[in-house]
Amino acid sequence: ETGVTQSPTHLIKTRGQQVTLRCSSQSGHNTVSWYQQALGQGPQFIFQYYREEENGRGNFPPRFSGLQFPNYSSELNVNALELDDSALYLCASSQGLAANNEQFFGPGTRLTVL
Amino acid sequence: QQQVKQSPQSLIVQKGGISIINCAYENTAFDYFPWYQQFPGKGPALLIAIRPDVSEKKEGRFTISFNKSAKQFSLHIMDSQPGDSATYFCAASKGAGTASKLTFGTGTRLQVTL
Repeated sequence: ETGVTQSPTHLIKTRGQQVTLRCSSQSGHNTVSWYQQALGQGPQFIFQYYREEENGRGNFPPRFSGLQFPNYSSELNVNALELDDSALYLCASSQGLAANNEQFFGPGTRLTVL
Repeated sequence: QQQVKQSPQSLIVQKGGISIINCAYENTAFDYFPWYQQFPGKGPALLIAIRPDVSEKKEGRFTISFNKSAKQFSLHIMDSQPGDSATYFCAASKGAGTASKLTFGTGTRLQVTL
């Protein structure tokens, strides 16, 4: 059984650019959630995808968007990057939407915006 | 608006001692309370979780105590070991069938000394 993987590991962009982060969910999982973790803070929920549809969104602007593919892998896209977007971006996969379904986190993508 | 408050921010405990981390929540709709452990360069990993219909849950050296009326819950790590040195996050989520987004606390950096 393969765990959650994310790519790339690290990324450096400049303000105003666009970035795409990728996540492969754990085998058998149909739900992917994305979180932003600023340095020294807890993860903040960005949005969740369930069976290729967005299913809930946190307090993030529309320039944060996502996709989920038929194999349940997912992308997070961020347009018009700002300095405050510098953070660790985590994806987590789970099976279904029940609140107590364990979410398995990937190692994250460290994004630095200069 | 921080819905889950966590303390202390950092904690130093001697090997063999008890580590105690506290969290308080505001939203009474929360019905699932997990604790996550995060090592540097890794994503958070589920440690132990509790539902509000029980006051305590124990798994090995890890115990969650839950006080529904006070809207507080805590993690106790008995016989703390150097390998327990990590950042710990409490979290909360609500509602089966809805987006199982996790609301995290700000984290506690635990250091277990020899």
